[in-house]
Amino acid sequence: AQSVTQLGSHVSVSEGALVLLRCNYSSSVPPYLFWYVQYPNQGLQLLLKYTTGATLVKGINGFEAEFKKSETSFHLTKPSAHMSDAAEYFCAVRASGGYQKVTFGIGTKLQVIP
Amino acid sequence: NAGVTQTPKFQVLKTGQSMTLQCAQDMNHNSMYWYRQDPGMGLRLIYYSASEGTTDKGEVPNGYNVSRLNKREFSLRLESAAPSQTSVYFCASNHETANTGELFFGEGSRLTVL
Repeated sequence: AQSVTQLGSHVSVSEGALVLLRCNYSSSVPPYLFWYVQYPNQGLQLLLKYTTGATLVKGINGFEAEFKKSETSFHLTKPSAHMSDAAEYFCAVRASGGYQKVTFGIGTKLQVIP
Repeated sequence: NAGVTQTPKFQVLKTGQSMTLQCAQDMNHNSMYWYRQDPGMGLRLIYYSASEGTTDKGEVPNGYNVSRLNKREFSLRLESAAPSQTSVYFCASNHETANTGELFFGEGSRLTVL
């Protein structure tokens, strides 16, 4: 079984401030981890993913996330928020190996205040 | 590139009516999925098809049926719509055997059941 917990369904930051969106997961086998972004009235698109190798992964639009096995976390960060970052962000997990379904968190809506 | 295409984008039904949501992908992906998105609940898997000719239930299959018509197309049918099925529905696909599970999403179908 696997699950994802996103802490904070709504996060507000000022433009130019650090963005930190939290994600913790549980998985009985080594996980693959994802962050997706959803802009209003659109589908989800992949922001970044961790599969194996380097634990700090970089994605589009200046976002990055670090896989910390000991903390079962995969938090998403961006040094300086931009107005265009306002969107909903979903953390997701799937087990590695063979065919496995993806489980999503409930999402975090990011508001960027000018 | 069209990617994943869903139709219709919007639909209003009365309780008890039936309808089919259509989904097609042009990326030669093996696996296709139907999710529903509800506020505060993230994305929940309704049904999936790991490969052409197979379908399986996800987390919330009750009230829905699916058909994997061919490799490209995966439809979702509501036989007797209920207000609880008011939601945004997303179709997604990926090529399970070739990558690590990254999903490609359509733009969504907004369904209201009165």
